[in-house]
Amino acid sequence: AQSVTQLGSHVSVSEGALVLLRCNYSSSVPPYLFWYVQYPNQGLQLLLKYTSAATLVKGINGFEAEFKKSETSFHLTKPSAHMSDAAEYFCAVGNQAGTALIFGKGTTLSVSS
Amino acid sequence: EPEVTQTPSHQVTQMGQEVILRCVPISNHLYFYWYRQILGQKVEFLVSFYNNEISEKSEIFDDQFSVERPDGSNFTLKIRSTKLEDSAMYFCASSEDRVNPEAFFGQGTRLTVV
Repeated sequence: AQSVTQLGSHVSVSEGALVLLRCNYSSSVPPYLFWYVQYPNQGLQLLLKYTSAATLVKGINGFEAEFKKSETSFHLTKPSAHMSDAAEYFCAVGNQAGTALIFGKGTTLSVSS
Repeated sequence: EPEVTQTPSHQVTQMGQEVILRCVPISNHLYFYWYRQILGQKVEFLVSFYNNEISEKSEIFDDQFSVERPDGSNFTLKIRSTKLEDSAMYFCASSEDRVNPEAFFGQGTRLTVV
């Protein structure tokens, strides 16, 4: 069985500060890992993915994540937060196309000026 | 840029009625999915569909639910005899193939059962 734990349901940062959103996963097979962002009243937009290639993955809007197998983690980072980054962020684990993505509970990112 | 489109964006229905939620996946994608998100909760998998049949379904996807790909472009979720607890945002998604497994999501249909 697969599962995802997102530590911290709410993270607040100042504009220009480092963003760190934590995700730990559990999977009995090599996982695919994803980060999605959801703006209010909108759908889920893919930020980045890990599918067993490079462990440091770069995504859209300046976000990146590092797959650490030893720590079963896939934390999302961004060096400098923008006001427009305020949204809900979901980490998800899967193992192949056509099967379920298991989502974490989400982390709400707030950015203050 | 290709996108998954869902209609309607909001549907209100009376308890016990049947609803059909419609989706047009990205045209060259082979795998299709439905997920739901109850207000304030996490996104939950309902069902995946490949080669005109269900490939995986969750415990949530009971006999009340069914999916269909009636033609080459649409993918539908039918909920028979809706219940209050079916109120949620329903997301359709599609993914291209096994090499590119990431799912692309539509904007969702907000279903309100009254």
